[in-house]
Amino acid sequence: AQSVTQPDIHITVSEGASLELRCNYSYGATPYLFWYVQSPGQGLQLLLKYFSGDTLVQGIKGFEAEFKRSQSSFNLRKPSVHWSDAAEYFCAASGYSTLTFGKGTMLLVSP
Amino acid sequence: DVKVTQSSRYLVKRTGEKVFLECVQDMDHENMFWYRQDPGLGLRLIYFSYDVKMKEKGDIPEGYSVSREKKERFSLILESASTNQTSMYLCASRKGSGSGGIYEQYFGPGTRLTVT
Repeated sequence: AQSVTQPDIHITVSEGASLELRCNYSYGATPYLFWYVQSPGQGLQLLLKYFSGDTLVQGIKGFEAEFKRSQSSFNLRKPSVHWSDAAEYFCAASGYSTLTFGKGTMLLVSP
Repeated sequence: DVKVTQSSRYLVKRTGEKVFLECVQDMDHENMFWYRQDPGLGLRLIYFSYDVKMKEKGDIPEGYSVSREKKERFSLILESASTNQTSMYLCASRKGSGSGGIYEQYFGPGTRLTVT
């Protein structure tokens, strides 16, 4: 069965520090991969996506993610976190039909 | 920009009521989706639609039905609301993959439904 795992339920990062959110997927073939962000009480906003080609993809708000086929991972990174990045982050994978979401990682940013 | 709107941000209904949640997208997308989101469970797919008058069950369709009479509108129906349907409901739309591409989903702001 297809699955997406985000091992960390909560992560706390100091403002200005670097961030890495982990995502692992289990799919029959290489899926299409996405990272979404959800601010409190809001819908999901797409940060970035990977379909093929360069394994390092750039997204909005200074985020990037690296696809590693050998590790079945698609980790999200940001070199310097801002207080406004506090939100819940979802990794998702897709074949030709539907998206499978991870359960999310809540990012807390400390002063 | 793609815009997906949902008819209500907050809704309170009584057990046994019939509830309609409406979703409208303005980008002529073929595919539309309904999810519910619960703490610790992430997003779970209820129903989706590849095109007008088409619908497919997702992972948790029990207690729900959908309607898609027009391309831009996708309705989620709770035939007889129950307290365990209290949740955040998110609608999404996506360009169809008929051209061979896979596209991202765009989400609405969500409807927080409380059933008392």
